[in-house]
Amino acid sequence: DSGVTQTPKHLITATGQRVTLRCSPRSGDLSVYWYQQSLDQGLQFLIQYYNGEERAKGNILERFSAQQFPDLHSELNLSSLELGDSALYFCASRRLDSNYGYTFGSGTRLTVV
Amino acid sequence: GENVEQHPSTLSVQEGDSAVIKCTYSDSASNYFPWYKQELGKRPQLIIDIRSNVGEKKDQRIAVTLNKTAKHFSLHITETQPEDSAVYFCAASTVNDMRFGAGTRLTVKP
Repeated sequence: DSGVTQTPKHLITATGQRVTLRCSPRSGDLSVYWYQQSLDQGLQFLIQYYNGEERAKGNILERFSAQQFPDLHSELNLSSLELGDSALYFCASRRLDSNYGYTFGSGTRLTVV
Repeated sequence: GENVEQHPSTLSVQEGDSAVIKCTYSDSASNYFPWYKQELGKRPQLIIDIRSNVGEKKDQRIAVTLNKTAKHFSLHITETQPEDSAVYFCAASTVNDMRFGAGTRLTVKP
């Protein structure tokens, strides 16, 4: 167990639908990062939150949004889903008071049918 | 922003041989360089890292080298084993940001 918790582990939904992925960071970590990994692809950075505020944005579609709550958990909302959104979605957390590597959650596998 | 390039994209070696993966980065402010191993369907896991004030670091069969002047760093795996087969990602990081290379799929043939 890495200390970063992602739910659900698997999600199957139809095109056009909306889903919410949840991430609880490791205790003490203020920063949460979301990544998308399509089949056999690399880690595409979507968005970063730090202590409730959006810190950086990557290649995140307008149909996607995220937020970080006061208890530091984060949610990634994916709407108007398309077949191409099928992927593994990873959340990672990190302390920003020192420069260390990410701790990744186990991911949510989203399948859009 | 940071741009990290990783080569090769695929690498196949015989068991017992060495494997080398190379990365270059663009942001001179990057000062931390982790490497992650990802097995199929699983989360990336940190296997070794190096900071900018160090030129080389070793952990058993794994070593990483860093050339800050040239802005490149490398992962070396010696005496490879079938269980080393996975996708390896390099990353370059500042305190505020971390960017990943595209990954290298390493296959170790028995």
